[in-house]
Amino acid sequence: RKEVEQDPGPFNVPEGATVAFNCTYSNSASQSFFWYRQDCRKEPKLLMSVYSSGNEDGRFTAQLNRASQYISLLIRDSKLSDSATYLCVVRARGGSYIPTFGRGTSLIVHP
Amino acid sequence: GAVVSQHPSRVICKSGTSVKIECRSLDFQATTMFWYRQFPKQSLMLMATSNEGSKATYEQGVEKDKFLINHASLTLSTLTVTSAHPEDSSFYICSAPQGLRVTDTQYFGPGTRLTVL
Repeated sequence: RKEVEQDPGPFNVPEGATVAFNCTYSNSASQSFFWYRQDCRKEPKLLMSVYSSGNEDGRFTAQLNRASQYISLLIRDSKLSDSATYLCVVRARGGSYIPTFGRGTSLIVHP
Repeated sequence: GAVVSQHPSRVICKSGTSVKIECRSLDFQATTMFWYRQFPKQSLMLMATSNEGSKATYEQGVEKDKFLINHASLTLSTLTVTSAHPEDSSFYICSAPQGLRVTDTQYFGPGTRLTVL
């Protein structure tokens, strides 16, 4: 079983739609959680950190469920520019806190 | 936010040559940097953890003699692909956490696209 799992998609949605991605992790020692966005042929860029109480940044809402070991990302009012791959990243205590990546979920927002 | 640079952004080389890729943290010090490789439509694969002042830690299956890593200072790590072959063609990305806490954000360099002919 992979340490961090995501549905690769693609999620194909119209502009204005609400879309949600989930990510599950297997390491119960995981301490910090992030969502990154990666555009085609570019490096990943931090979208938002995920806090225990859940957090929101504009149209984006992230949630963490430690008991079930998953995190989620909700995008409201999708824009064409939201089309990208969304990567779930988990870091656990110990060593160099090596971040573990999911394989990413592809989102395509169409007119 | 913190910035990580990589150089070169793109390189095309002949089979058998060596290629050096530099990763720099521009406004913070990084005792640890990570090197990843990404093939088309694949996820990021961690190759190694670069540690300032000590040897790099390689992931299983990554040849340390082929992918030489040197973390010369708190702001610079280099990856040298020795005797490159076409199968080494990939997108190489470095990253550095901004601090030593597990919650610190990790910043990525813009990547180096390597094509070996």
